[in-house]
Amino acid sequence: DGGITQSPKYLFRKEGQNVTLSCEQNLNHDAMYWYRQDPGQGLRLIYYSQIVNDFQKGDIAEGYSVSREKKESFPLTVTSAQKNPTAFYLCASSIGRTGQGKQFFGSGTQLSVL
Amino acid sequence: GQQLNQSPQSMFIQEGEDVSMNCTSSSIFNTWLWYKQDPGEGPVLLIALYKAGELTSNGRLTAQFGITRKDSFLNISASIPSDVGIYFCAGLSLVGNQFYFGTGTSLTVIP
Repeated sequence: DGGITQSPKYLFRKEGQNVTLSCEQNLNHDAMYWYRQDPGQGLRLIYYSQIVNDFQKGDIAEGYSVSREKKESFPLTVTSAQKNPTAFYLCASSIGRTGQGKQFFGSGTQLSVL
Repeated sequence: GQQLNQSPQSMFIQEGEDVSMNCTSSSIFNTWLWYKQDPGEGPVLLIALYKAGELTSNGRLTAQFGITRKDSFLNISASIPSDVGIYFCAGLSLVGNQFYFGTGTSLTVIP
């Protein structure tokens, strides 16, 4: 099946620890995105990537890092600098460069702090 | 970052009733998307709109791209229990080429 796969579904972070969330897509989409969702709020953009080896900061990039070494993969690292990491993280992709197509989402990763 | 004004924030309706919700923005958008999200899952795309004035249906769902390009509407007719969830709008900004999301409308359908 084609789609976007996020893993793990649930993740726990200890104080001072970096954690990495995985996002893989087999839709052959050029653009990929990471969003953060807090209860009662809309999605906020963390990072996005239009092509391999290129990515741009979104509205809330502080405390996060990404890489785009392969077209199908866009992992997100939540660093220890992110002081309030507990949230639901969503990965998305779209067919063309940013804004040229519909966005499709993975099933999300819930990150919690121990 | 910009967030869209989406209303109402929540709705409690009887099964069989029609539902209307809307999104407004201070900026012009050239694409509007409507999504449904179930708890603990990612949003699922329902309808995409690309032209001002466009009216598009997907089963019992109908969405419209506002003439001013600053708003969009979603209607659900004859609601059923599986319509329960949170509905989000998303608009594509002409500046920065990013999607911005509404705060969501939580829909509860009472059998």
